[in-house]
Amino acid sequence: ETGVTQTPRHLVMGMTNKKSLKCEQHLGHNAMYWYKQSAKKPLELMFVYSLEERVENNSVPSRFSPECPNSSHLFLHLHTLQPEDSALYLCASSQGPTSGGSSEQYFGPGTRLTVT
Amino acid sequence: GENVEQHPSTLSVQEGDSAVIKCTYSDSASNYFPWYKQELGKGSQLIIDIRSNVGEKKDQRIAVTLNKTAKHFSLHITETQPEDSAVYFCAAKGGYNKLIFGAGTRLAVHP
Repeated sequence: ETGVTQTPRHLVMGMTNKKSLKCEQHLGHNAMYWYKQSAKKPLELMFVYSLEERVENNSVPSRFSPECPNSSHLFLHLHTLQPEDSALYLCASSQGPTSGGSSEQYFGPGTRLTVT
Repeated sequence: GENVEQHPSTLSVQEGDSAVIKCTYSDSASNYFPWYKQELGKGSQLIIDIRSNVGEKKDQRIAVTLNKTAKHFSLHITETQPEDSAVYFCAAKGGYNKLIFGAGTRLAVHP
């Protein structure tokens, strides 16, 4: 158990559906991240939340909408996705530099998303 | 932009042999270099890391070396075992907690 859980583990959705991915961390960290992992491509950082404030958005399309209600929970809301959005979506958490902790990130198992 | 290149993309070794995976980075300001192991169906696990003020770090059968001048770092696994089979990702820390990852190396250890 990594201390970071994600649900669902698998999701199949149509292009007109609305769904949400959930991430929860039990490590007492104050920063959380969404990554996208496509086949044969490096991990792509999508969003970073520190102390519930979004601090970075790497030009991710607006059909992906993150929400971080508190330091333990992170959501990724999905709306009108495209087939090329099919990928493994990984959540991670860490202690942010403002707390003086390490910068190591701990990952969840991921949600395998298929857009049909 | 910032980039991390990782080689090889696949690596096949016999049990007991050593395995070496190499990465190069472009951002000279990078100061933290973790390695992650991702097994099938599991999340990525941090296995070892190194900071820019250290040239080498070892943890049992795993070691990482860093050459800041050349901007490259390597993962060394000795006495490989079948359970070492996984995809390994290197990363370099750029801006605020932003990790730039390599493309990954699929390591297969054959009994």
